[in-house]
Amino acid sequence: QKEVEQNSGPLSVPEGAIASLNCTYSDRVSQSFFWYRQYSGKSPELIMSIYSNGDKEDGRFTAQLNKASQYVSLLIRDSQPSDSATYLCAFYILTGGGNKLTFGTGTQLKVEL
Amino acid sequence: EAEVAQSPRYKITEKSQAVAFWCDPISGHATLYWYRQILGQGPELLVQFQDESVVDDSQLPKDRFSAERLKGVDSTLKIQPAELGDSAMYLCASSPTSGRAKTQYFGPGTRLLVL
Repeated sequence: QKEVEQNSGPLSVPEGAIASLNCTYSDRVSQSFFWYRQYSGKSPELIMSIYSNGDKEDGRFTAQLNKASQYVSLLIRDSQPSDSATYLCAFYILTGGGNKLTFGTGTQLKVEL
Repeated sequence: EAEVAQSPRYKITEKSQAVAFWCDPISGHATLYWYRQILGQGPELLVQFQDESVVDDSQLPKDRFSAERLKGVDSTLKIQPAELGDSAMYLCASSPTSGRAKTQYFGPGTRLLVL
């Protein structure tokens, strides 16, 4: 079982719709969870972090964390063509050397006009 | 707004040649990371520094890769000799030592193509 799993997509949504991106994780994940956005050919850009069960909202973005079910999701409301990118979830995982930020493979989102 | 700086942005080299990448973290960030990202995959940690000390280099191919952060500020990642399979994006990130989550901030990356 992989430590972090994401559906690679592509996920296509019409402009103005809600995009829902999901990520599951293994038992060794620690308490810090992150979502990064990566445009093609660019580096990852932090969108949100979440540490506690429940929802965290920032503008059009909402992160949801459910530790019992071991998943974290990202909702994008009123999706825009500029949201078209790959979204990476990341978690700190406990290793012998300490905590290591481990990324999923990313979900490609396409917002269509 | 403070950013992580990296150079060069692009590098084309032939296999068996040596290449070097440079990173300057956000001012005050004691922790520096080097990642490699292959197309279609998430970034994978190569090496982590805390100040000038290596914290984790378990995934660094030490027969050909080396990294240093001599004064605990900027850092250099070297590959010698480069192989075709090294073609990837090399990302540098930094994070503050204190704080709840050690949020990592990435530089623009260096795209390496080995011919």
